[in-house]
Amino acid sequence: SYVLTQPPSVSVAPGKTARITCGGNNIGTKSVHWYQQKPGQAPVLVIYYDSDRPSGIPERFSGSNSGNTATLTISRVEAGDEADYYCQVWDTTSDHPVFGGGTKLTVL
Amino acid sequence: EVQLVQSGAAVKKPGESLKISCKGSGYSFITYWIGWVRQMPGKGLEWMGIIYPYDSDTRYSPSFQGQVIISADRSNNTAYLQWSSLKASDTAMYYCARRGMEGDFDYWGQGTLVSVSS
Repeated sequence: SYVLTQPPSVSVAPGKTARITCGGNNIGTKSVHWYQQKPGQAPVLVIYYDSDRPSGIPERFSGSNSGNTATLTISRVEAGDEADYYCQVWDTTSDHPVFGGGTKLTVL
Repeated sequence: EVQLVQSGAAVKKPGESLKISCKGSGYSFITYWIGWVRQMPGKGLEWMGIIYPYDSDTRYSPSFQGQVIISADRSNNTAYLQWSSLKASDTAMYYCARRGMEGDFDYWGQGTLVSVSS
């Protein structure tokens, strides 16, 4: 089955740029979606279709996808961005969604 | 406004049965797939299965096939997740989520915490 690999943790200072990666075999051929989950809350979709933002998501959140790596970029990081972030694709071979293991973003 | 509202927390003993619910509103419930996602304490998101309420077409993750049953009542805009015999290892938060057009999950329920202990 398809596997998505994320770093367990990423740390960034306020005001800087955070980049969270999601690795998968030829992931550039798939649509990648990203979720933010704050402690005690349900996940929230922050990026879909590689780089589109749902309404209400700040422009500071952006995404890219090429080759074997997709990236979620958070510019001008704020304390409120501290959360777990998950990538997800739809594996067309199994016709199932697949989640990455999640990355904990810490704002220093 | 699209909303998915889940049933409240449940405390059960091993061997008991349970059915939790997810009620959709603010959109055409029967024309969007609804998925169920498990999150064990301190762990990541695991996809369990998905149902299309229009015709109850259901798909399961191999990890959960035979362990749970997913169903839907289109007349009540509600999807369900049920267990016939709970185990302590079923202790987790369970989320329902609507599948969007791009294969994403664009709206999520607030979660239902299931605790199983003797």
